[in-house]
Amino acid sequence: SQTIHQWPATLVQPVGSPLSLECTVEGTSNPNLYWYRQAAGRGLQLLFYSIGIGQISSEVPQNLSASRPQDRQFILSSKKLLLSDSGFYLCAWTPGTDTQYFGPGTRLTVL
Amino acid sequence: GENVEQHPSTLSVQEGDSAVIKCTYSDSASNYFPWYKQELGKRPQLIIDIRSNVGEKKDQRIAVTLNKTAKHFSLHITETQPEDSAVYFCAASPTGNQFYFGTGTSLTVIP
Repeated sequence: SQTIHQWPATLVQPVGSPLSLECTVEGTSNPNLYWYRQAAGRGLQLLFYSIGIGQISSEVPQNLSASRPQDRQFILSSKKLLLSDSGFYLCAWTPGTDTQYFGPGTRLTVL
Repeated sequence: GENVEQHPSTLSVQEGDSAVIKCTYSDSASNYFPWYKQELGKRPQLIIDIRSNVGEKKDQRIAVTLNKTAKHFSLHITETQPEDSAVYFCAASPTGNQFYFGTGTSLTVIP
């Protein structure tokens, strides 16, 4: 069966520091991968999605970037965090049959 | 791009009553409509979905209806229980690669 992992689970970072969040999927090949951000009490904002290695589409201009160095690995990065980057970051994947499954999430607090 | 609107933003019902959450979408090309339940601090979990070639789908106490002409779809929960309390998100997908989410409905079931 397929499993999606995210780490770290929680993170507290100072403003201006770099960020790297990792997502990996097991038990499937060539998944579509997604990064979402959810501010406290808010909806899901799509940040990036990828349909293959090295193929990244950005939905919202921001100081974040994404990379997909391997088929089942998706990384979200920032060179300098802002206060507004705080939130719950969710990675998701689809097996190509539309159904989207979410990872456990990373709760990021920028102080 | 696709725009999904969801109503109401909050909903309180007595245990045993029914709850209905409604969503509208703008892109007539959307053909896949999932619903997610998110408990506090957890990831969104798929609870039911419907494709555009179907008008209604039911799974025990949960049902979803789709009106393609009017571009709206609804989630119906019957015989609500306290454990149904959560935030519910609808989504629409026109391509199978991109998913557009509603802003969420916070459902409270009062014992």
